[in-house]
Amino acid sequence: AQKITQTQPGMFVQEKEAVTLDCTYDTSDPSYGLFWYKQPSSGEMIFLIYQGSYDQQNATEGRYSLNFQKARKSANLVISASQLGDSAMYFCAIGGNTGKLIFGQGTTLQVKP
Amino acid sequence: GAVVSQHPSWVICKSGTSVKIECRSLDFQATTMFWYRQFPKQSLMLMATSNEGSKATYEQGVEKDKFLINHASLTLSTLTVTSAHPEDSSFYICSARDPGVGTYNEQFFGPGTRLTVL
Repeated sequence: AQKITQTQPGMFVQEKEAVTLDCTYDTSDPSYGLFWYKQPSSGEMIFLIYQGSYDQQNATEGRYSLNFQKARKSANLVISASQLGDSAMYFCAIGGNTGKLIFGQGTTLQVKP
Repeated sequence: GAVVSQHPSWVICKSGTSVKIECRSLDFQATTMFWYRQFPKQSLMLMATSNEGSKATYEQGVEKDKFLINHASLTLSTLTVTSAHPEDSSFYICSARDPGVGTYNEQFFGPGTRLTVL
């Protein structure tokens, strides 16, 4: 079974600063993928970044980077230079060979001007 | 590319009626579609996996007679909430996936359907 844990229900960050959203996971699959999604108040799920379990380097996508520590089973999302539009709920998810995604509880991020 | 639509975007119905939600992959063929349910400020809970041409696989605790899923074509899956009750009020989100579509074989999500049962 796969499990994702996000321990930060809510986070605040000052505009233009960086913020780290925590995510830990548990799985018995040797091959898996870790995803981060953003969900604004409109409800749509926006894909942000992906990390494969065999990827040697941490994934980066623009202002988003993933701090992948396989031995610790953590996949934290780092958002640099926060913007007001980054205020949303953020979900970490794990997927395996079945294609199913298991989501964490989510973290609500508020960016202060 | 890889756009998924849902219809309707919101629906209000009376208790005891049935409601059908459609999920369409607009520019790719989805061999697999997933249905999620989300309560306010909570996580997405996977309800079922829908494979084209075969019966849906339901997650533990999800009533298959209550939530009927049909994946009749490679671009359409439907979720029917039968005899809806107020506790079925929720945000329902579908996603679609096909090997080779997307950079990371990821799921593409629809915009969601907000169901309110009076």
